Amino acid sequence: EIVMTQSPATLSVSPGERATLSCRASQSVSSNLAWYQQKPGQAPRLLIYGASTRATGIPARFSGSGSGTEFTLTISSLQSEDFAVYYCQQYNNWPPNMYTFGQGTKLEIK
Amino acid sequence: QVQLVESGGGVVQPGGSLRLSCAASGFTFSSYGMHWVRQAPGKGLEWVAFIRYDGSNKYYADSVKGRFTISRDNSKNTLYLQMNSLRAEDTAVYYCAKGGAGGDYLDYWGQGTLVTVSS
Repeated sequence: EIVMTQSPATLSVSPGERATLSCRASQSVSSNLAWYQQKPGQAPRLLIYGASTRATGIPARFSGSGSGTEFTLTISSLQSEDFAVYYCQQYNNWPPNMYTFGQGTKLEIK
Repeated sequence: QVQLVESGGGVVQPGGSLRLSCAASGFTFSSYGMHWVRQAPGKGLEWVAFIRYDGSNKYYADSVKGRFTISRDNSKNTLYLQMNSLRAEDTAVYYCAKGGAGGDYLDYWGQGTLVTVSS
């Protein structure tokens, strides 16, 4: 099983500042990495797939980078609606016996 | 627009069964793989199962293998999850999600349905 580890668990940032979230895979997942945003009481929303491609309708302030085992989600200038929990997910396994998620990073207002 | 609407959740006793449904609209259902993902109260996301677009292949997390069965009816644009031998640790919100066109990321999610396993 590929283990996904996100850091930090909680990140406190002021509105307008940059946030950098990390995700590490226990073995290479190539670029088969997605990021999701989840707000309280809501379903997750896809932000990034293929490690760096923004999903439909996602603002340009969200960007993803990395490949192999190290990945980063950057939010360039935090808006109030960006405070949420963020999850990374690998989908490199084939056949897909386990599409593992990271444990999440909570982005909170400083 | 893509819509996924889950139903069938509820309270069930340990050892019991439940079948979840996910009604899909706004896209060509028969062309995409579909997933189930769950989230225990206050916890993170756990992938549960995947089915290919034509139902030819199905894959499961180890935690549910042999107990849960994913299926689909492309004529009804509906995804299913049959859950048997339920345990307390299966208590969660269950989401259905559409597979992406370029890979097995999850590009659209339903609102979820809560399953509670309790005596």
